Amino acid sequence: AQKITQTQPGMFVQEKEAVTLDCTYDTSDPSYGLFWYKQPSSGEMIFLIYQGSYDQQNATEGRYSLNFQKARKSANLVISASQLGDSAMYFCAMRRIQGAQKLVFGQGTRLTINP
Amino acid sequence: NAGVTQTPKFRILKIGQSMTLQCTQDMNHNYMYWYRQDPGMGLKLIYYSVGAGITDKGEVPNGYNVSRSTTEDFPLRLELAAPSQTSVYFCASSPPGGESYEQYFGPGTRLTVT
Repeated sequence: AQKITQTQPGMFVQEKEAVTLDCTYDTSDPSYGLFWYKQPSSGEMIFLIYQGSYDQQNATEGRYSLNFQKARKSANLVISASQLGDSAMYFCAMRRIQGAQKLVFGQGTRLTINP
Repeated sequence: NAGVTQTPKFRILKIGQSMTLQCTQDMNHNYMYWYRQDPGMGLKLIYYSVGAGITDKGEVPNGYNVSRSTTEDFPLRLELAAPSQTSVYFCASSPPGGESYEQYFGPGTRLTVT
C-alpha cells in the first residue's frame, strides 16, 4: 500500500520568502510518481509539479521545485519568492507508474502568506 | 474544450435520499476517477474506471455505485444517503498508459446530508 504523510498542518510565511512544504511517502513499488496540487479557497485542484521516481534531476516549474530525496522517501515542495496568491492548501500525492493512475493524497498543508 | 465538468455544484440531501452526481470529460481520456474530500482532509478514491464498461473500487467505495457506458461520462450514484457522506466530491480524468503526468480535476460537488 502507498502512504503519504504531510506533517505540517499549517505554515505561515512572509511575502517574498521561500517556503518548503514537507512530504514523506511510503511504497513498495519500484516505480512511482509524486505530485503536488494546490487547492485555493475556491476549491479547485490545481496541478503544480510532478517527479518520477527514476528521474535523475529534481523537477522544477517556474517558482516551484520538488526536492526529491529517494533514499529518505521525501518529496518536499519548495516555493521561491512567495506571493500572496500562494495562500492555499497544498497536497502531496503519489501513484504507481503502471496501471490505473490512482492517486493517494496526504492530508495537506495550509500555507498562509503574510504581507 | 471544457475539460472535466461536474453537476450539480451544490446539493443538500435528506438522510435516506438518493442522487446521482454527474461527471463528463471532453478530452477522450480513458481513465476516470471519483474522489471525496472531507473537511480538512486530503482526497480519497471512491471508484475509478479504465474505460467504458470497466469500473473498480477505490479506497472508500461503500455507499456508492458507478457506471461507465461511454468514454465521456462517469456518474456516481449515492443510495440511501447518510451524514457520513457529507463531503466535496471531485471527478477526474487522465489519458491512459505510461507516464501521463497529471489528472485533470473537475470543479467539485459540495454535498450535505442532513
